[in-house]
Amino acid sequence: AQKVTQAQTEISVVEKEDVTLDCVYETRDTTYYLFWYKQPPSGELVFLIRRNSFDEQNEISGRYSWNFQKSTSSFNFTITASQVVDSAVYFCALSEPSNTGKLIFGQGTTLQVKP
Amino acid sequence: GAGVSQSPSNKVTEKGKDVELRCDPISGHTALYWYRQSLGQGLEFLIYFQGNSAPDKSGLPSDRFSAERTGGSVSTLTIQRTQQEDSAVYLCASTPSRKLNTGELFFGEGSRLTVL
Repeated sequence: AQKVTQAQTEISVVEKEDVTLDCVYETRDTTYYLFWYKQPPSGELVFLIRRNSFDEQNEISGRYSWNFQKSTSSFNFTITASQVVDSAVYFCALSEPSNTGKLIFGQGTTLQVKP
Repeated sequence: GAGVSQSPSNKVTEKGKDVELRCDPISGHTALYWYRQSLGQGLEFLIYFQGNSAPDKSGLPSDRFSAERTGGSVSTLTIQRTQQEDSAVYLCASTPSRKLNTGELFFGEGSRLTVL
């Protein structure tokens, strides 16, 4: 069965600190996609990134970076020099094997960045 | 705006009543999803519509839950005889067919349901 685990329920940091959000997944599929979504206080989830199972290159986008390691089934998300606007709930997700766009989400990590 | 629109944003109802939640997807998006977000539970898939195909109802938790999508656009999620455990935020998402294998879903702000 497919599963996504985000062990960190809540994280609190002070502005400008770096913070890493952990994500561990389980799947028997050889081809799959992993995602991160951000849910700000307004409620709507915003897509951040997608990685496919064949591409283990780390990705950096501004202050955001993602570390995908198949050997440990992890897809961790790091925010460098955090800002108050980064405060949100962050969800890691795994695609279902069918071409439907259905996602399996983790429980989410609430990040609070204090000024 | 041009985003996914959900109504009502908040709904308080009494146990045993029926409720309807509405989702208006982004124009041209063929795929539509309903997810439920309960406190501390993450997002739980409920149902998926794609074009004229039969919906994937595999995530509906009981036969009190149903959904329809009229004219390939607006969708309504109906919960009959509501129970307190139905209290949650119900999120709707849509995506165009060309993005089905990308997982890039466009979410609405959700409908918060409270069952007293």
